[in-house]
Amino acid sequence: DTAVSQTPKYLVTQMGNDKSIKCEQNLGHDTMYWYKQDSKKFLKIMFSYNNKELIINETVPNRFSPKSPDKAHLNLHINSLELGDSAVYFCASSRSGGEVFQETQYFGPGTRLLVL
Amino acid sequence: GQNIDQPTEMTATEGAIVQINCTYQTSGFNGLFWYQQHAGEAPTFLSYNVLDGLEEKGRFSSFLSRSKGYSYLLLKELQMKDSASYLCAVMDSNYQLIWGAGTKLIIKP
Repeated sequence: DTAVSQTPKYLVTQMGNDKSIKCEQNLGHDTMYWYKQDSKKFLKIMFSYNNKELIINETVPNRFSPKSPDKAHLNLHINSLELGDSAVYFCASSRSGGEVFQETQYFGPGTRLLVL
Repeated sequence: GQNIDQPTEMTATEGAIVQINCTYQTSGFNGLFWYQQHAGEAPTFLSYNVLDGLEEKGRFSSFLSRSKGYSYLLLKELQMKDSASYLCAVMDSNYQLIWGAGTKLIIKP
């Protein structure tokens, strides 16, 4: 059974379109994250939700809107896609919000987004 | 600002030992993580250090010196499957993970 799953795995779309990426975890974790990994391989935190509440919102364009219908799901909707949005987007989850030692984050397989 | 530094790439021989260094400057410290990421795959957890010293886990060991802002990941008896990127990440005072760019490790037969 996949612990953290994301769909789609690949997403190729035109500039200006709106797209969504879905994430689900079956680990019973309270906290979920969205990361962006660019071509230089830096993982940058975008959002973090704890029990459906937003706790981290880094400097991300407001074209990106996360939605957490329940604590097992954290979806990412992107409006008006731009060329610079091309990257790999990883969803992750952890048991709590990190205020526990050895707070491991478990990553989904990633969504490779290419904006043409 | 916050900064994590790792070498970009390293090469080692199958069966040998390699040490991947990581230095960090962060606002606060709540532990240091090492993750492994194979090409095209998700990062997977390797180790966690919050106290100074060496943590050994099979062929992999991780060392931390908080006073020096320094860690290393030691891989012994290298296997071809160890070819991957190794990401160092520090949890800061806000419990956010600050990530390094990763070290690409190439293993040669």
